[in-house]
Amino acid sequence: NAGVMQNPRHLVRRRGQEARLRCSPMKGHSHVYWYRQLPEEGLKFMVYLQKENIIDESGMPKERFSAEFPKEGPSILRIQQVVRGDSAAYFCASSPPAVNWETQYFGPGTRLLVL
Amino acid sequence: AQTVTQSQPEMSVQEAETVTLSCTYDTSESDYYLFWYKQPPSRQMILVIRQEAYKQQNATENRFSVNFQKAAKSFSLKISDSQLGDAAMYFCASRGYGGSQGNLIFGKGTKLSVKP
Repeated sequence: NAGVMQNPRHLVRRRGQEARLRCSPMKGHSHVYWYRQLPEEGLKFMVYLQKENIIDESGMPKERFSAEFPKEGPSILRIQQVVRGDSAAYFCASSPPAVNWETQYFGPGTRLLVL
Repeated sequence: AQTVTQSQPEMSVQEAETVTLSCTYDTSESDYYLFWYKQPPSRQMILVIRQEAYKQQNATENRFSVNFQKAAKSFSLKISDSQLGDAAMYFCASRGYGGSQGNLIFGKGTKLSVKP
């Protein structure tokens, strides 16, 4: 059973460009979470999604950031008009709908660098 | 709001020895879960161990065990027979119980070094 997959692993953008980060949850997992990790910090929650629904986006900046988890395909975290402060590691995690629902399994992360 | 505090930014242990990493938390939830994650230099987040707050018995996973003190809101991780591969950042995390309480709250981490 493949783990959580994220791509790209590394992404370089210039200020003002758009960044799209993809996350494919583990097979059978219907819950997806996005976290951001700044250097020397712990992970900070951004958004929690189920298929076609945003459950909790309380940790996501109101502007420039959006997330989706469509019926088909990966979850996407989109950052418009990136700024240098968006440089961070972005982690996706998934959890199953029933047994062990409370445990989140993480992908390898996407390192975003904004020049 | 939930908070998680790790008061040891760095720890060091001799190979084959035992080390304990501290974690305290604050929550108004009656049911919740606690976790320890390991982040090696590859930066992959790896689940080490988890504890259900309603269980009094401390969780154990091979060389890893926890000391869960619910009244004191303390959740320390003990690593026995430390190995070089245990060197990593260790993050303590909590999450609430219930459909909308999905997110993990992380501490700032403890960097563990293992000396040969």
